[in-house]
Amino acid sequence: QKEVEQDPGPLSVPEGAIVSLNCTYSNSAFQYFMWYRQYSRKGPELLMYTYSSGNKEDGRFTAQVDKSSKYISLFIRDSQPSDSATYLCAMSPFSGGYNKLIFGAGTRLAVHP
Amino acid sequence: DGGITQSPKYLFRKEGQNVTLSCEQNLNHDAMYWYRQDPGQGLRLIYYSQIVNDFQKGDIAEGYSVSREKKESFPLTVTSAQKNPTAFYLCASSMSGGYTFGSGTRLTVV
Repeated sequence: QKEVEQDPGPLSVPEGAIVSLNCTYSNSAFQYFMWYRQYSRKGPELLMYTYSSGNKEDGRFTAQVDKSSKYISLFIRDSQPSDSATYLCAMSPFSGGYNKLIFGAGTRLAVHP
Repeated sequence: DGGITQSPKYLFRKEGQNVTLSCEQNLNHDAMYWYRQDPGQGLRLIYYSQIVNDFQKGDIAEGYSVSREKKESFPLTVTSAQKNPTAFYLCASSMSGGYTFGSGTRLTVV
């Protein structure tokens, strides 16, 4: 069993829809959770960074962490065609300095006009 | 602007050749990483370095080598011992929090 599981999709939604992307994990030591967005043939870019359980909002994006269920989510409101990308979740027990992140396989999202 | 520069963007390798992928950062980050990305498999760690002149094997180091002679630079050599090198290679660095990634190098065996 992988430490981090993420549905690869693809997920296809109409413009304006609310998108929900999810990851589950098995290591209860994870405390730092990230979402990266990766456009085709580009490097991933950090979208959201959260610590422990709770919600964090940034514009149209909301990250949720439920440590009791070992489940994290990324919600995208009012989705746009420019949101079409692969979304990778990542997590770690630590922050700072060297820090080995464990990545999900990524979910491919397509937002069509 | 601070960031990570990977070069070249595309690289073609003949059978039996060694090739070197460049990674340079001007973020003053101590830690640097090399990942390999294959379709459907996510990111797999090849090597990482916490400080200059020190590096450690990741999960899939066989057939790869690295050096860290300067804080800014962390080149990756794909040797002829790597039997399936065709992939997208990503370099990253970190100080605290998440990684900053480069734009990647796509390596193809011809």
